[in-house]
Amino acid sequence: AQSVTQLDSHVSVSEGTPVLLRCNYSSSYSPSLFWYVQHPNKGLQLLLKYTSAATLVKGINGFEAEFKKSETSFHLTKPSAHMSDAAEYFCVVSGHARGYNKLIFGAGTRLAVHP
Amino acid sequence: NAGVMQNPRHLVRRRGQEARLRCSPMKGHSHVYWYRQLPEEGLKFMVYLQKENIIDESGMPKERFSAEFPKEGPSILRIQQVVRGDSAAYFCASSPNVPKRTNPGLGPGANVLTFGAGSRLTVL
Repeated sequence: AQSVTQLDSHVSVSEGTPVLLRCNYSSSYSPSLFWYVQHPNKGLQLLLKYTSAATLVKGINGFEAEFKKSETSFHLTKPSAHMSDAAEYFCVVSGHARGYNKLIFGAGTRLAVHP
Repeated sequence: NAGVMQNPRHLVRRRGQEARLRCSPMKGHSHVYWYRQLPEEGLKFMVYLQKENIIDESGMPKERFSAEFPKEGPSILRIQQVVRGDSAAYFCASSPNVPKRTNPGLGPGANVLTFGAGSRLTVL
């Protein structure tokens, strides 16, 4: 079975400082991993995905994530936070269920960005 | 391409009434997924449908909830006799096809799901 744990429910940073949102996963085989972002009262937008190609994945808006199998982690980073990055971020693993894309979501990390 | 369209965006119901949520997948997508997001929680899988078929409903409550994806028209998530605990955001996602598994030891390919903006149900 697959699962994902987001280690921080809230992260607060100052504008212009680095962002680190932590995610650990559990999977019985090589997983597919995603980060989605949800702005208030909006739908979900895909930031980036890992699918067993390069372990460092670059996404939109300057975000990137590194797949570390030895640590079973897929942390999301950004060198410099913008005010517009304030949102809820979900780490997601693709579940193995009858061969289709059953996504399993973490509980989310709410990112606050202060001036 | 209008993306995944969900309506209504907001729905208010009194306890005991019925709620119907609609989802039109992206053009060319024939697979629909419904997820529920309770307040302050992540999204939880409910059901996966293809045209006229329910493939996996393991996340659906056994009573009062049903889903369909007819040959023509949108997918419908129906909640009968709503209770306050049904208050949540319901998200629909679609994908164009089922990812192929080229190696049984590997996970399925990462066919990306496109999500709608969600339907927020409030039960009074």
